[in-house]
Amino acid sequence: DQQVKQNSPSLSVQEGRISILNCDYTNSMFDYFLWYKKYPAEGPTFLISISSIKDKNEDGRFTVFLNKSAKHLSLHIVPSQPGDSAVYFCAARDNDMRFGAGTRLTVKP
Amino acid sequence: EAQVTQNPRYLITVTGKKLTVTCSQNMNHEYMSWYRQDPGLGLRQIYYSMNVEVTDKGDVPEGYKVSRKEKRNFPLILESPSPNQTSLYFCASSLGTVDTEAFFGQGTRLTVV
Repeated sequence: DQQVKQNSPSLSVQEGRISILNCDYTNSMFDYFLWYKKYPAEGPTFLISISSIKDKNEDGRFTVFLNKSAKHLSLHIVPSQPGDSAVYFCAARDNDMRFGAGTRLTVKP
Repeated sequence: EAQVTQNPRYLITVTGKKLTVTCSQNMNHEYMSWYRQDPGLGLRQIYYSMNVEVTDKGDVPEGYKVSRKEKRNFPLILESPSPNQTSLYFCASSLGTVDTEAFFGQGTRLTVV
């Protein structure tokens, strides 16, 4: 029973354009949401987070949007750069942290 | 440097031969956990620990054991590994369980033949 779902296994965008990665969750008890980025042969690294009391959080080129009524969050990367190519995991916390299956983003020069 | 250190990075073993993957963090974090990453399934939690001597099962605990005798260490033990435990394993730590991000080790790729 996957409580956090990333339905797109992969996404390809052109350098300079916007990347939008999506995530859905089922557990309404989740109160904190995070995005992690993972390069090959490395552990996931924290990218950006959002509390359930907010609907948007921005950090440089990265913005996370939360729609609690739809149980949906998204990560926007603008402008996308080739170095952003990685696997992105969405995660949600209550007492534990649950992860989605990940989306592989490829940014083409 | 703040980090989570796992050892070994790579391990090939045979079915039934007990093994331990070590995990150590230097951030004085109370919360530590183990995950396995499999294609199409993302990161699934195996066990977690909220503090010393406190451990609990995650989503996929079968075939694994853990211990938390000291705050900094959280080893993962496979008493009798089987091929379906072939996976990429990550240890993580965080300050707590609320409003905090987790820091991950670099991973241990385990192959059981």
